[in-house]
Amino acid sequence: GAGVSQSPSNKVTEKGKDVELRCDPISGHTALYWYRQSLGQGLEFLIYFQGNSAPDKSGLPSDRFSAERTGGSVSTLTIQRTQQEDSAVYLCASRGGLTHYGYTFGSGTRLTVV
Amino acid sequence: AQKVTQAQTEISVVEKEDVTLDCVYETRDTTYYLFWYKQPPSGELVFLIRRNSFDEQNEISGRYSWNFQKSTSSFNFTITASQVVDSAVYFCALRPPGTASKLTFGTGTRLQVTL
Repeated sequence: GAGVSQSPSNKVTEKGKDVELRCDPISGHTALYWYRQSLGQGLEFLIYFQGNSAPDKSGLPSDRFSAERTGGSVSTLTIQRTQQEDSAVYLCASRGGLTHYGYTFGSGTRLTVV
Repeated sequence: AQKVTQAQTEISVVEKEDVTLDCVYETRDTTYYLFWYKQPPSGELVFLIRRNSFDEQNEISGRYSWNFQKSTSSFNFTITASQVVDSAVYFCALRPPGTASKLTFGTGTRLQVTL
C-alpha cells in the first residue's frame, strides 16, 4: 500500500483480556518495527523484524508481549492478560531495503485498558 | 548505550516567531545518524531530516533549519516564522550504524503556535 496501515485505530479492552494489534507495512519493505508511546514519554522500542532473520525482541517489556510477522509482510503484536500500564499508542514502522534510511510510521493503535 | 534528551517538554509561541527545539544525544559510536520527526495531532510520525555524524554541515529546508554540533552532541531544530500548522510534537532520534538497528527517541517537545 501507499503507507503503513495499522488496525484498529482505537481499542478499549478490559484488564486481563488479550489483544491483537495489526500492522500492514509498505509493500516490499523488509524491515518492520513496533514502538510504544506512553503519555508524556518518548517512543519505546519493542521489537524489530528484518527479512527472514530472527527478530530483535530486546524491547519487549514482559513475556505477555509477543509479535509475529507472517510471510515477511503483515505483523501482529499480541498482548496477553492486559494491564492498565499497557495503555499507550502502539506505533508500527517499516523501512525499505538494507540501506534505505527512511522509516515510515503508521498512525498507531491507541490501546486503553480499563 | 544510546540516549536522546529533549529538555523542552512544551513550547508556546505566537505565529511568526522563530523557535528552536533542543536535542542532546549520547552515544559511544563514532558513526551514527540523527533524525527529526514531526507528530501532528493525527498521530503519524512524519520524517523531517536525517543527518550523518560525519557531515556537520547545517541544513536549511524552507523555514526549517538544523544545527548539528558534534562537539556538544547537539542537533537543534529551528523553525523560522512559525505557523499554526507547525503545531505538533517533535521528536529527535538517534540510530547507530548497521542495518539491524533501531531508532532511540527523545521524549519529544510539544510546540503550540497560536495566532
